[in-house]
Amino acid sequence: EIQLVQSGAEVKKPGESLKISCKASGFSFTSYWILWVRQVPGKGLEWMGSIHPEDSDTRYSPSFQGQVTISAAKSITTAYLQWNSLKASDTAMYYCARYNLGDNDLNWFDPWGQGTLVIVSS
Amino acid sequence: DIQMTQSPSSLSASVGDRVTITCRASEPIGPFLNWYQQRPGRAPRLLIYAASTLQSGVPSRFSGRTTGTDFTLSITNLQPEDFATYFCQQSSRVPPTFGQGTKLEIK
Repeated sequence: EIQLVQSGAEVKKPGESLKISCKASGFSFTSYWILWVRQVPGKGLEWMGSIHPEDSDTRYSPSFQGQVTISAAKSITTAYLQWNSLKASDTAMYYCARYNLGDNDLNWFDPWGQGTLVIVSS
Repeated sequence: DIQMTQSPSSLSASVGDRVTITCRASEPIGPFLNWYQQRPGRAPRLLIYAASTLQSGVPSRFSGRTTGTDFTLSITNLQPEDFATYFCQQSSRVPPTFGQGTKLEIK
């Protein structure tokens, strides 16, 4: 079964660091881009960035460039999303997903991880 | 960035009804449009990609169409499990962007 399994919910204080994970199974991890999406409670979905685990080529949304770091470990088929100094405004649900590329550059996100809730509060 | 506008933002319907949700792109995106369903407390799930292709395992009561810059998601014979929030997403240009969502509620 193709799936992405994310690490559990986190409660952190402002200024703390955090690294959440997304474990892939059931497909060739190094053949697909993996992306991260933020969802603030009750709000919409925002693409944060993507990584290709084969060579760690990484692309960021301008909104998140410099705010987070996306990485991957090929040997354990896991992608990561990391913050060096959390803010209250980072409170959100974070999803990883696989980027699929079809004919004529058509592309879509599937599957999605179950989500990791990050709460940042003093 | 390409802006995606969904309408309506919320919708009430009954089991067995047919509903249609519309998504409009701020510029032409061809068939580069995907639809996702998000049930409460769950991750988004791909329903339709490339504007009209049903993802494997998705019931045939879901369908997608395009008229150019306007895209529609239709659901016929609504089932209890269909009451959820639906998002469109353009995949034509980076950054990929989503509509604000349409919440489908039981009347």
